[in-house]
Amino acid sequence: GDSVTQMEGPVTLSEEAFLTINCTYTATGYPSLFWYVQYPGEGLQLLLKATKADDKGSNKGFEATYRKETTSFHLEKGSVQVSDSAVYFCALSATMGQAGTALIFGKGTTLSVSS
Amino acid sequence: EAQVTQNPRYLITVTGKKLTVTCSQNMNHEYMSWYRQDPGLGLRQIYYSMNVEVTDKGDVPEGYKVSRKEKRNFPLILESPSPNQTSLYFCASSHPPTSGYTYEQYFGPGTRLTVT
Repeated sequence: GDSVTQMEGPVTLSEEAFLTINCTYTATGYPSLFWYVQYPGEGLQLLLKATKADDKGSNKGFEATYRKETTSFHLEKGSVQVSDSAVYFCALSATMGQAGTALIFGKGTTLSVSS
Repeated sequence: EAQVTQNPRYLITVTGKKLTVTCSQNMNHEYMSWYRQDPGLGLRQIYYSMNVEVTDKGDVPEGYKVSRKEKRNFPLILESPSPNQTSLYFCASSHPPTSGYTYEQYFGPGTRLTVT
């Protein structure tokens, strides 16, 4: 079945460091890909998305490019801030016949940024 | 303000005592869903609903029930909770997925359930 694999955390960085969180997927068809972020004590919120190959999603300085040839959607940010400390989830949309579309999530990567 | 609300936010209960976690959204979304989040497992879908009176099982439905009598509400029911249902639960809503397109899902703040 469809699945998402993202790098194990925690990832610990100093402020202004470069961030990469790897995400690869297995899916039939052409899923949409998402990055969600969960700040401490809160629910998930959409960070960015891409709906087709070579699309680049971007938001708040974060970027990810839908790479069909490598089935990847790696999250990057050039200069992280303490406020970026959170758990990041990679997800894909999995179509379940006519019944609907579920989001399949990776296990999450905890990012901790220190000043 | 567009939002998904859940109640209660925290609940400690005992094995076998029926409970309901409520979920409500004010965005007129047809699609609603329940997930549970467990360490090392990420989020897994419990049940979803495409519209009023239309619900279906997700990946981990055992031990849960849902109902969708109104568009805005999607309660999660645990008829006889067990300790393995101790988890963090999230409700989410969105416009219904269409062929080739999936809309952003909006998540509630979560309900932390402990079953002793």
